[in-house]
Amino acid sequence: EIVLTQSPDFQSVTPKEKITITCRASQSVGRSLHWYQQKPGQTPKLLISYASQPFSGVSSRFSGSGSGTDFTLTINGLEAEDAATYYCHQSSTFTFGQGTRLDIK
Amino acid sequence: QVHLVESGGDVVQPGRSLRISCAASGFSFSDYAMHWVRQAPGKGLEWVTIISFDGKSQDYADSVKGRFTVSRDNSKDTVSLQMNDLKPEDTGVYYCAKGLSSYWSLSDYWGQGTLVIVSS
Repeated sequence: EIVLTQSPDFQSVTPKEKITITCRASQSVGRSLHWYQQKPGQTPKLLISYASQPFSGVSSRFSGSGSGTDFTLTINGLEAEDAATYYCHQSSTFTFGQGTRLDIK
Repeated sequence: QVHLVESGGDVVQPGRSLRISCAASGFSFSDYAMHWVRQAPGKGLEWVTIISFDGKSQDYADSVKGRFTVSRDNSKDTVSLQMNDLKPEDTGVYYCAKGLSSYWSLSDYWGQGTLVIVSS
C-alpha cells in the first residue's frame, strides 16, 4: 500500500498569508497525486489534479507542484473561506493522506 | 451539472448486511468509472472501491475485500455497494464519486453521502 503523509496536521494562519502543505508518498506515484478541499459539513471538492492542474472553477490562489514522492499545495492570499481540511490522494492505488486542517484566525 | 445522490444508509448490527446506492445525473454515466469513499465520524477520507465504466472491472481496499461488492446499472444510471458482514469500523458517511475517466483515475465530483452506523 502506498502511504501518503501530509504535513503539517494543523495550521492556524492569518488572512492574506501564504501556506504550503506537503504530501510525501512512500513510493513513487509519478504525477498521479491530487488535492481535495473539504469544508466543515461539506463534501470534498477537487482542487488540483495530476500534481499541478487546477480543476475547473478553482481559484488561481491554489497551486500544486511535485512529482515522484514529494508534492506541495500552495495557497496564496489566504481568505476566511479557505478554512477547511485538505487531503492529498494518489490514483495509482487510491489512498488518501491523513489531512491537514487549516484554520484562519 | 453532475449530480450524485446516495441513499440507503441505516443503523445495522454487526455481522449484518446493507446495500447502499447512488443515483447519477448530469453526465453520461456509462462513460465513467465510479468510486465509493467513506469517512468515519471526525476522521479522514478512506477510499473503498472503484468500478469501471462497463462494470467489468472492480478494485477494493484491503479493509473491505471479500465483504463488499460494487455493481452498476448503466440503464438506470446507478451504482450500488453491497456490504456484508459489517463491522463497527465500517461506520461512517459513504460518498459515491464520479471518476475522471472510464477506468482507474481520480474522482472529480462527489455526492453528499449516506450515513452507515454499525452498532449493536
